[in-house]
Amino acid sequence: DGGITQSPKYLFRKEGQNVTLSCEQNLNHDAMYWYRQDPGQGLRLIYYSQIVNDFQKGDIAEGYSVSREKKESFPLTVTSAQKNPTAFYLCASSINAGGGNEKLFFGSGTQLSVL
Amino acid sequence: AQSVTQLGSHVSVSEGALVLLRCNYSSSVPPYLFWYVQYPNQGLQLLLKYTSAATLVKGINGFEAEFKKSETSFHLTKPSAHMSDAAEYFCAVIAGNTDKLIFGTGTRLQVFP
Repeated sequence: DGGITQSPKYLFRKEGQNVTLSCEQNLNHDAMYWYRQDPGQGLRLIYYSQIVNDFQKGDIAEGYSVSREKKESFPLTVTSAQKNPTAFYLCASSINAGGGNEKLFFGSGTQLSVL
Repeated sequence: AQSVTQLGSHVSVSEGALVLLRCNYSSSVPPYLFWYVQYPNQGLQLLLKYTSAATLVKGINGFEAEFKKSETSFHLTKPSAHMSDAAEYFCAVIAGNTDKLIFGTGTRLQVFP
């Protein structure tokens, strides 16, 4: 079955530690996105990538980093600079990032908590 | 800049009652509008989308939404709620030429028997 796989489902971070969230898609989509979800705040865009080896900052990129070395993979690293990392992280993809009406396909999310 | 406002963070209805979830948008250009649904501990699924083809948009699971330019609204409705409709619903708009999807803060729907 085609889809988006996020792992792990739950992740715990110690103070000062970097952690990486995995996102893999086998939909052959060009565009991939990372969103952060906090209660009562909806989804906020962290980073997005329209094509391999290229990515753009979203609205809340500080304290995060990404890479897009392969079309199917878009890992998100939460660095120690992110002082409030506890949230539900959602990865998404779309066929491409142009046109304005693409459907986003979402993974099932990773819940990150600070120890 | 484009944005959406969802009125009411929680909505409760009885099973079989009308569901109405409100969304108003702000856009300087004709918008693309979406409704997504999120079940507990899962990602989001697209319910429906407006892309200017028709003002009344029908989606999955019996939901529909009507684009009203005069009211800058895109409210989501379903004639008869089912227990399985309990979830969080997000309205979203495409942010102009950037193609970024901007989400509202969400409305949690509870359905009582």
